[in-house]
Amino acid sequence: DAKTTQPNSMESNEEEPVHLPCNHSTISGTDYIHWYRQLPSQGPEYVIHGLTSNVNNRMASLAIAEDRKSSTLILHRATLRDAAVYYCILANAGGTSYGKLTFGQGTILTVHP
Amino acid sequence: AAGVIQSPRHLIKEKRETATLKCYPIPRHDTVYWYQQGPGQDPQFLISFYEKMQSDKGSIPDRFSAQQFSDYHSELNMSSLELGDSALYFCASSPGEGYNTGELFFGEGSRLTVL
Repeated sequence: DAKTTQPNSMESNEEEPVHLPCNHSTISGTDYIHWYRQLPSQGPEYVIHGLTSNVNNRMASLAIAEDRKSSTLILHRATLRDAAVYYCILANAGGTSYGKLTFGQGTILTVHP
Repeated sequence: AAGVIQSPRHLIKEKRETATLKCYPIPRHDTVYWYQQGPGQDPQFLISFYEKMQSDKGSIPDRFSAQQFSDYHSELNMSSLELGDSALYFCASSPGEGYNTGELFFGEGSRLTVL
C-alpha cells in the first residue's frame, strides 16, 4: 500500500482557515485520496475524497497537487467541533480492497477558542 | 438518517472467554467492514464482507471469526480472549463494491475490556 505522511499535530484558532497537508509520493494512478477524521471516543468520519481534481463539499475542500504526490485538506473556518485526528488515506479504486482503509499516523488538530 | 448500529456498546469479559459483537449496517448497504482500535492506536482493518461473502481480510487473529447474514448484519466472534484484545471495535458499511461513493460510514464502536 502506498504510504502517506502527515504532520503529527497542528493548531488553529476558531473561525480561521486550516490547511492540513499530506504527502503521498508513491501514489498510483488508481489511488483515490481520502480524508477521514476521528473525534475523541467516536468512530472515524468521512470528510472528503478525490482523484485528480480539487473537490469541495459542505465540510471541506481538497486540493490535489498536479503531480498527485501531495494534497491539502482545507477547513475554511475551523470550529471547536473540528478538533480531531485527521487521517489522509489512499484507497485503490475497484476490486475488493476499496474499503480496506489503512489508517496511518494522522494529524491531531487543536482548535483554540 | 439511520446510521450504523453496533451492539453492545460496552462489554467486559475475562481472559479465555468468548465475545460476540454485532453490527447493523445502514439500510441498503451490502458491504460491512470491521476495524479494531487499541488504546492510543490507529484503527486497523480486520475483515470485510460483500453480499454475505468475505471480501477482504486484514490482521485478524485466527481466534476471531466473522460473518454477514442474509439481512446484511454482521457479527464478529472472538474466542479465547486475551488482554491484548481490549480495544474499540468499529463496524463500517458502504453501499457496495460495485458502486462505491468512496465513503465508509462508521458506527460508534463497541468497547471490549478483557480482564
